[in-house]
Amino acid sequence: DGGITQSPKYLFRKEGQNVTLSCEQNLNHDAMYWYRQDPGQGLRLIYYSQIVNDFQKGDIAEGYSVSREKKESFPLTVTSAQKNPTAFYLCASNAGTSNQPQHFGDGTRLSIL
Amino acid sequence: GESVGLHLPTLSVQEGDNSIINCAYSNSASDYFIWYKQESGKGPQFIIDIRSNMDKRQGQRVTVLLNKTVKHLSLQIAATQPGDSAVYFCAENMGWGGGFKTIFGAGTRLFVKA
Repeated sequence: DGGITQSPKYLFRKEGQNVTLSCEQNLNHDAMYWYRQDPGQGLRLIYYSQIVNDFQKGDIAEGYSVSREKKESFPLTVTSAQKNPTAFYLCASNAGTSNQPQHFGDGTRLSIL
Repeated sequence: GESVGLHLPTLSVQEGDNSIINCAYSNSASDYFIWYKQESGKGPQFIIDIRSNMDKRQGQRVTVLLNKTVKHLSLQIAATQPGDSAVYFCAENMGWGGGFKTIFGAGTRLFVKA
């Protein structure tokens, strides 16, 4: 059945290491999003993509990078420049219009070793 | 489970009672609003939405009320069940840079006592 799959569920990063979080959707959605969730805070937008081969920075893009080579896939790389990467990362998608809800994956929990 | 929502407002209700979760949104120009439910260790799930040209919308056991005058949104859950225990948060869509932007609230944790 259709949905968004994020992997891995748990990820550990060493100092100075880049790590990549996977997000795949089979909903045929044009738009995809990456959010960071910290305790007691609302979701904060890292990057979003409205269409293949195009993406835009969100509110907290520093230390992160993305690519959108396929409609189904929107991987997020957490680089060593991100000094406080410990968080719950959520990927979402929707049709890209302003009156449609976003559908979320089940998240990746990133921690520092 | 995940440590999402450690310091959130909390609502505790008895099983079978009705729950009301409130949300104050930020932008009077926002035109679309959504309620999500997030269980521990999971991603948010869509519950119900409402457009700004409406003031009430009902789903199965849930009702959303929109008061644009005071920029307030509420989610009512009828006959609350233990499975309703989760963090609930609202989101608003507003025009931004020729497109739109979604702003998420921090959420309210609902505990249902059996």
